Amino acid sequence: QVQLQESGPGLVEPSQTLSLTCAVSGGSIRSDGYYWNWIRQHPGKGLEWIGNIYYSGHTNYNPSLNSRVTISVDTSKNQFSLNLNSVTAADTAVYFCARDHQHWYFDVWGRGTLVTVSS
Amino acid sequence: IQLTQSPSSLSAFVGDRVTITCRASQGISSYLVWYQQEPGKPPKLLIYTASTLPGGVPSRFSGSGSGTDFTLTISSLQPEDFATYYCQQLHTYPYTFGQGTKLEIK
Repeated sequence: QVQLQESGPGLVEPSQTLSLTCAVSGGSIRSDGYYWNWIRQHPGKGLEWIGNIYYSGHTNYNPSLNSRVTISVDTSKNQFSLNLNSVTAADTAVYFCARDHQHWYFDVWGRGTLVTVSS
Repeated sequence: IQLTQSPSSLSAFVGDRVTITCRASQGISSYLVWYQQEPGKPPKLLIYTASTLPGGVPSRFSGSGSGTDFTLTISSLQPEDFATYYCQQLHTYPYTFGQGTKLEIK
């Protein structure tokens, strides 16, 4: 079955760019009808949707982060990525990637990766 | 679209029937999903389109509602059900989640 795995630095300095990658295994990122999402969860808090991408490259972003977020896809590597620039301590969170089945539900999630913003 | 869950926390006994509600700030048809999250783990899909259980989810879980008001019911709590539950709407971007309901053992 499809599995997702986040990877990237666990520590980012303030004002720098947070960069994470989500590797898709057990299936193709080019599958029709699936959007690929990033979600974050601040320590001890709820879930916040960051944005998603279709394999064609079409993206949707949360307006609360829109100006700082870029999500991209690399179909040759079967992965998608998140860049969040100008980070502050408020961006410290566990970042999850997840698969969205035709806007019905998120059925596959990565384990999540903790990113701490600190100097 | 804002989703408001109630209660924010709940204490119950094994075997109890519990209900969690999720209210949307505007109509979302049946584009409502429930997730269960255990500490240190990603959310797990529990119910989609407000009332549909994916394969493998025990039948003690059920969901109902449409439009703006939704409920998640656990008919007879089991020890493994003590976790945090989130609702999510996929009707309109940006997707949003409720603030969560933490279900604890009494």
